Amino acid sequence: GAVVSQHPSWVICKSGTSVKIECRSLDFQATTMFWYRQFPKQSLMLMATSNEGSKATYEQGVEKDKFLINHASLTLSTLTVTSAHPEDSSFYICSRLGTLDSPNTEAFFGQGTRLTVV
Amino acid sequence: GQNIDQPTEMTATEGAIVQINCTYQTSGFNGLFWYQQHAGEAPTFLSYNVLDGLEEKGRFSSFLSRSKGYSYLLLKELQMKDSASYLCAPMDSNYQLIWGAGTKLIIKP
Repeated sequence: GAVVSQHPSWVICKSGTSVKIECRSLDFQATTMFWYRQFPKQSLMLMATSNEGSKATYEQGVEKDKFLINHASLTLSTLTVTSAHPEDSSFYICSRLGTLDSPNTEAFFGQGTRLTVV
Repeated sequence: GQNIDQPTEMTATEGAIVQINCTYQTSGFNGLFWYQQHAGEAPTFLSYNVLDGLEEKGRFSSFLSRSKGYSYLLLKELQMKDSASYLCAPMDSNYQLIWGAGTKLIIKP
């Protein structure tokens, strides 16, 4: 079964509103989780690395004030898209690496969230 | 810099065999992953190679040559449900996955 759960799977919101996406690690306490964005027919683009108990590390070009990441517990990371605009419409996916026995093998992905801003 | 190169699109026939090639350049290396991604869905894990050679898992096999910066994914007995994008993702020295744009595989009857 799924080891990373992401919610919601899809959301439609009005321009200017904020949307929160949750990512839960179900079987493993993940100190680090990753947030990706994927536009149609393009590769996964790493947005930020979420670190439990500390600030997220953002990739170059990603606005930290627009994409708020909170990793308050070892099983939950959240991404909030603030003041969303139509150009933020995309597929957002979270992931974590590894298992208890092999911390750095295999990336497990959430189901993804299809965000549409109208 | 870090770079992944795989064909953009491939077409194959149901029941046949197809090989998807991937060349990569990364800062350090901690293995290479292949993922399958159906449109609108998250990627799912297919295989992991960290040593040179062939790893076989059912209809899917993956090969790695670290000295050449080269991997391939071999899919046998193709089924219509294998129509998807296939992502080659090496892991660099910081344990970060480096993602290419993937290869869109189209299976025809």
